[in-house]
Amino acid sequence: GIQVEQSPPDLILQEGANSTLRCNFSDSVNNLQWFHQNPWGQLINLFYIPSGTKQNGRLSATTVATERYSLLYISSSQTTDSGVYFCAVRRDMRFGAGTRLTVKP
Amino acid sequence: SQTIHQWPATLVQPVGSPLSLECTVEGTSNPNLYWYRQAAGRGLQLLFYSVGIGQISSEVPQNLSASRPQDRQFILSSKKLLLSDSGFYLCAGKDRDYGYTFGSGTRLTVV
Repeated sequence: GIQVEQSPPDLILQEGANSTLRCNFSDSVNNLQWFHQNPWGQLINLFYIPSGTKQNGRLSATTVATERYSLLYISSSQTTDSGVYFCAVRRDMRFGAGTRLTVKP
Repeated sequence: SQTIHQWPATLVQPVGSPLSLECTVEGTSNPNLYWYRQAAGRGLQLLFYSVGIGQISSEVPQNLSASRPQDRQFILSSKKLLLSDSGFYLCAGKDRDYGYTFGSGTRLTVV
């Protein structure tokens, strides 16, 4: 089946710093989403982005489907950005292992 | 908008006891529905997904089963729980208009 790899597995930032999270996938996809899981376990849909670039406030995402990767950018990070970020692909939503982000004040 | 309801939030069950977790969807019709399990500190493992009433696809052989008796109802069951069934169970729904939405999850501890 399709493999979804996320990097880095862990990331520690100082508040205000920028970061880039990466999601690689082993096969072509027509459905890719980024989620944020907060410390209470709730998963929040960030972007539905099978291709192209989208922006929402301090967050933006880019998917290059032909090269099988997607990037999530977080600018001017805040402590509330802490949690685990997942990408998921395809109709049956295969998840990567996630990137655990900790933003320190 | 689409809302996924899951209950209970936490559950402690003895080994060998049955399990029934219910997920209901509000605000949409004919969604794709998913059950995931997340072990502590790990990613999400897809257990079952359903594209319609009575249609269940199973991803991982295990002692869990799923059913979809109604369009907006998805149930995760077990006849006899194992210690390894402990984890955080999440239900998700996808529809054409709202994309993917997750419930708030059930934290199951099998003792």
